Parts: sequence; structure tokens; C-alpha cells
Amino acid sequence: NAGVTQTPKFQVLKTGQSMTLQCAQDMNHEYMSWYRQDPGMGLRLIHYSVGAGITDQGEVPNGYNVSRSTTEDFPLRLLSAAPSQTSVYFCASRLAGGHPGETQYFGPGTRLLVL
Amino acid sequence: AQKITQTQPGMFVQEKEAVTLDCTYDTSDQSYGLFWYKQPSSGEMIFLIYQGSYDEQNATEGRYSLNFQKARKSANLVISASQLGDSAMYFCAMREARRGGADGLTFGKGTHLIIQP
Repeated sequence: NAGVTQTPKFQVLKTGQSMTLQCAQDMNHEYMSWYRQDPGMGLRLIHYSVGAGITDQGEVPNGYNVSRSTTEDFPLRLLSAAPSQTSVYFCASRLAGGHPGETQYFGPGTRLLVL
Repeated sequence: AQKITQTQPGMFVQEKEAVTLDCTYDTSDQSYGLFWYKQPSSGEMIFLIYQGSYDEQNATEGRYSLNFQKARKSANLVISASQLGDSAMYFCAMREARRGGADGLTFGKGTHLIIQP
């Protein structure tokens, strides 16, 4: 199993450009999520999905769109990049369900720089 | 109010000593989970240990143990016999069971641990 994969690893954008960060998992996990990590901060939840066709906002959703057309993929779209979106982005997945102990698996991260 | 507080921005520890990384949390839920993750300089997030709010025993995973004091709302990570490879950022995180845990993990700001030879 590849686990959670993310592409690209690094990206430089100009202000106003758009791009899509890709995330895929091969563990048949229903729950997928996107976090961002800024210097001196822990990870913060951007958007999440509990299954194909179902998405919802997290703590810091502004400036990002998501969709979930398949169980495996959960892309994150920046429609008009801003310098404030310079960050490291992590995708994560786990089994859905109410048990708070379900292990969450993280991808390797995407480093994004917006100039 | 912060849900996860890690009061030690950085720590220096001698190799082979035990290390305690502090974490306090705030929740009104009865059911929740507490996690510790390690982030080495390479950047990936590595799951270390989990403690459930209803677990009566402190969690242990190899050299890692979690000192869970529910009444004080603290979940400190203890690393026994530290090694140079333990140098990393360490994050405490919580998942509350409300809404099936859909709100994801709430992270603290982390502790940068440096192990000195």
C-alpha cells in the first residue's frame, strides 16, 4: 500500500494564480481531510470529507475549494493564490466512524510558496 | 481559549535522559482522544501514541508513554532513554467524538525537542 500520497512536493505560485493540490489514498478510508501548517503553529483543518460527494469546512476554509468524486481522491483547489496561503499542506485519511481513536494517516506534505 | 496547549516551545535534553513533553487540553466532551505526533526535520507527521478519554491505563508504545491525568486535563508524553533520533517537533492533538469526530484533530503549537550527545 502506498498510504496517503500528495503531489506536488513543492510549488511556487504567483499571486492570483490557481492550482490544485492532489491527494490520494489506497486504504479505502471514508474520511479525508486537508490541513495547513504555518511556522510556529500546529496543523489547522481546512476542509474535510466523510465520503464521496460529501465535504465540509474546517477551521480555516477561506480561499480553498474541495470536492470528493471518488473514495480515493480529495483534491484541494486554490482559486486565486495569496501570499497568506504560503504554507505546508498535509492531506490525511482515516476510517470514518465515531471512535475518537481511529488512527489518522498523513501524507508527506506539499510546500507551497506564493509570491 | 486554546483547546490544546503546549507550554514548552523548545527543550534541550541530554542523550539517554527521560523527557516529558507537556500537553494540556480543554474540552467539554466526555468522549475524546488524545494523540502525539512526531515531525522530524524531513517534515512528515509520524503517529506516536493514542489515549482515549475512557482508557483507565496510561498508553504505552515502546519508549513512549502517555501520562494521562483526566481531572487535570493533561496528557504529557514521556520518552524514556532519549536518543539522538528523537530530535524533532512534537505535537499534541485531540479529537472530540462529537459529530463522529468529523471536526478532525486540533493541534497544539508543538515542542521542538533537541537531544544533545
